[in-house]
Amino acid sequence: SYELTQSPSVSVSPGQTASITCSGDKLGERYVCWYQQKPGQSPVLVIYKSRRRPSGMPERYSGSTSGNTATLTISGTQAMDEADYYCQAWDSSTVVFGGGTKLTVL
Amino acid sequence: QEQLVQSGAEVKRPGASVMVSCKASGYTFTAFYIHWVRQAPGQGLEWMGRINPKSGGTTYAHQFQGRVTMTRDTSISTAYMELSSMRSDDTAEYYCAREREVGATYYGMDVWGQGTTVTVSS
Repeated sequence: SYELTQSPSVSVSPGQTASITCSGDKLGERYVCWYQQKPGQSPVLVIYKSRRRPSGMPERYSGSTSGNTATLTISGTQAMDEADYYCQAWDSSTVVFGGGTKLTVL
Repeated sequence: QEQLVQSGAEVKRPGASVMVSCKASGYTFTAFYIHWVRQAPGQGLEWMGRINPKSGGTTYAHQFQGRVTMTRDTSISTAYMELSSMRSDDTAEYYCAREREVGATYYGMDVWGQGTTVTVSS
């Protein structure tokens, strides 16, 4: 079965750029979504179709893919960006989530 | 506004079944797929399957086939997820989420329900 791998944790200083990666076989050939989840809340879509932002999502969130890796980049990271982030892709007609990355802003 | 509202928390005995509902409002129910995703305590997101509210067609994750059934009632814009033969490791938060699909292009799960806590305990 298809697998997506994420680093368990990433730390970033306020105002700096955070990069969260997701790897999978030929992931660059698939559309990738990214979700943000804060404690006790439902997930929120932050990127779809690998690089597109939903309406209302701040411009500091961006997505890219290359080869076997998808990257979520948060520019000018703020304290409010501290959350768990999950990548997601499709494998045939089923959905696969990465294991999640905890972003700490310190 | 566009939203999905789920049914309330459930406590079940091992071996029992649970049905969680997901009521859509503020948009055309049949225009978006409904996914079901669960999250065990302290763990990541796990996809269970999805239903096409227009046709009723379903796709289930391999690990739930035979135990999960997803249905919908278009007259009340509500989707349902039933999980049977429950075990303690089915204890989790269960979410529904909608996604638009156009010609095999997927647009992400852009609206999520608030979650339903299901506890399996003897």
